[in-house]
Amino acid sequence: QKEVEQNSGPLSVPEGAIASLNCTYSDRGSQSFFWYRQYSGKSPELIMSIYSNGDKEDGRFTAQLNKASQYVSLLIRDSQPSDSATYLCAVAKNTGGFKTIFGAGTRLFVKA
Amino acid sequence: GAVVSQHPSWVICKSGTSVKIECRSLDFQATTMFWYRQFPKQSLMLMATSNEGSKATYEQGVEKDKFLINHASLTLSTLTVTSAHPEDSSFYICSARIGGSLDEQYFGPGTRLTVT
Repeated sequence: QKEVEQNSGPLSVPEGAIASLNCTYSDRGSQSFFWYRQYSGKSPELIMSIYSNGDKEDGRFTAQLNKASQYVSLLIRDSQPSDSATYLCAVAKNTGGFKTIFGAGTRLFVKA
Repeated sequence: GAVVSQHPSWVICKSGTSVKIECRSLDFQATTMFWYRQFPKQSLMLMATSNEGSKATYEQGVEKDKFLINHASLTLSTLTVTSAHPEDSSFYICSARIGGSLDEQYFGPGTRLTVT
């Protein structure tokens, strides 16, 4: 079992729709959770961080965390073609040294 | 968000030569910096973790004598690829961790290395 699992996709949604990206993790001791966006040929860009159970909203993005289910999700409302990218889920903990584990990413295509 | 710079953004070198890549956190002091490598259409691969003033911790399978990491200050880390070969051609990305209560990691723009 991978430490951080994401569906590789591609996930295809029409412009204006809600894109839902999911991630599960195996280490119950994980403390911090992040979503990064990576355009082809570019480095990852941090778009959301979440530390406690529940929802966190920032503009068109909402991150959801459920530690009991070891599940993190990212919703993108009113999806735009410019949102087409690979989305990386990352999980971190800081016990015995800081360590971040990245998922392999989900490719999202937003069709105009 | 915090800004991390990387230099150079791309480099072409001949086989057998060494290449140094710099990573700087511009507006914060990074408690920890990380070096990643990414081949086309593949996932990020963590190569090593470095803390200022101490030796880097390398991931399994990464040759520490080939990929030299120096973390001279809280804002600068360097990766030197020694005796580069064509199979070392890749996208090298550094990231810096803010630490404290946030634990956020910010990535540099990456360095595309081509070894001929």
